[in-house]
Amino acid sequence: EVQLVESGGALVQPGESLRLSCAASGFTFSDYWMHWVRQVPGKGLVWVSRMNTDGSHITYADSVKGRFTVSRDNAKNTQYLQMNSLRVEDTALYYCVRGAQQWVGSDYWGQGALVTVSS
Amino acid sequence: VMTQTPLSSPVTLGQPASISCKSSQSLVHSSGNTYLSWLQQRPGQPPRLLIYKISYRFSGVPDRFSGSGAGTNFTLKISRVEPEDVGVYYCMQSTQFPDTFGQGTKLEIK
Repeated sequence: EVQLVESGGALVQPGESLRLSCAASGFTFSDYWMHWVRQVPGKGLVWVSRMNTDGSHITYADSVKGRFTVSRDNAKNTQYLQMNSLRVEDTALYYCVRGAQQWVGSDYWGQGALVTVSS
Repeated sequence: VMTQTPLSSPVTLGQPASISCKSSQSLVHSSGNTYLSWLQQRPGQPPRLLIYKISYRFSGVPDRFSGSGAGTNFTLKISRVEPEDVGVYYCMQSTQFPDTFGQGTKLEIK
């Protein structure tokens, strides 16, 4: 069974940093692209980043470029989202999402990690 | 831009439901495929993939869910709404970078 479990969500102040982790199981992690998508509670979905299988090709949404960094450790079946210079508008549930192999898109979603940025 | 209609859909149990999604640009990829997906988000749950490439049901998705469309106009249909179908439905395109989502359609029971 494919599982994606996010951790690291917290309440932080503007300007602070936070790192989210996404632990994957039930599939060969190193074979899949991985994404992050965020959702302000009660609002819609916004794509944040994507990363290829070995972490050599990464793209970001303009809203987080230069502040967020994604990485992965295939030996630990984990991807990370390092968030620096956090803003109030970064407050959201952050979902770890697996890229699909058979088509362009994504398939499985984690439960999400809540990040709250507030003074 | 992905535009869904309606934004809210009150439906009677056992009756059909339909959600429309329109893209501001053609979603036909250079490969010839169209990467339009539908997601379901039940209350308090993460999104779940229902349909990919317009009309392919994902693993474990009941056959009362179906997708159709082409180019810029797409539809998700539920043949007979059941209680567990309550939630918000999103269309999502992956043809153009970056992936973008419709604003969501809330399905509720009358």
